[in-house]
Amino acid sequence: EPEVTQTPSHQVTQMGQEVILRCVPISNHLYFYWYRQILGQKVEFLVSFYNNEISEKSEIFDDQFSVERPDGSNFTLKIRSTKLEDSAMYFCASSETGPSESTEAFFGQGTRLTVV
Amino acid sequence: DAKTTQPNSMESNEEEPVHLPCNHSTISGTDYIHWYRQLPSQGPEYVIHGLTSNVNNRMASLAIAEDRKSSTLILHRATLRDAAVYYCILRDPPWVSGANNLFFGTGTRLTVIP
Repeated sequence: EPEVTQTPSHQVTQMGQEVILRCVPISNHLYFYWYRQILGQKVEFLVSFYNNEISEKSEIFDDQFSVERPDGSNFTLKIRSTKLEDSAMYFCASSETGPSESTEAFFGQGTRLTVV
Repeated sequence: DAKTTQPNSMESNEEEPVHLPCNHSTISGTDYIHWYRQLPSQGPEYVIHGLTSNVNNRMASLAIAEDRKSSTLILHRATLRDAAVYYCILRDPPWVSGANNLFFGTGTRLTVIP
């Protein structure tokens, strides 16, 4: 069964450093997403991406965050200058688009980001 | 996004059916009802979705009230692997929002007792 893969599974970074989280969405999917989940809290939407541009973003997704699809297979989330409060599990997801009502999103296993 | 209300937690005995309720009294006529679950230390996983009619798939059944103000996710025989947080989410149809974003609440934590 096709799946969304994320790397690394765990990243530790120092406060103020830049991090890039990587995702390989399912190959025929056209919509891509990043979500985050702070430990013990709910899953929060960050950003959605379609046709090489951001289609929607939440208030969390400020100027410190950016997304890119650099090569047609990878989808990345960059945090420019990490803060302690960026520590969370980050989930990438992808979904098909089209006229079908089936809008199931497939999630990766997540990258645990720890900012120290 | 329209709100949903779910119990914080539920317990079930292994191999017994589980009925997970969700209230969505402010649902609009075009909102789809989606269920996802999150197993421990994993990403969310799609379970099932529906609009008006009851739905069945290999994982579960979804029973939707006639007025659509509530729905129930039914696991026919709970296994230990079904222990997870279950989220009931209302979504715009694709032709309305276009981006298929999901807004998760706190969900129901299901504990399965051996």
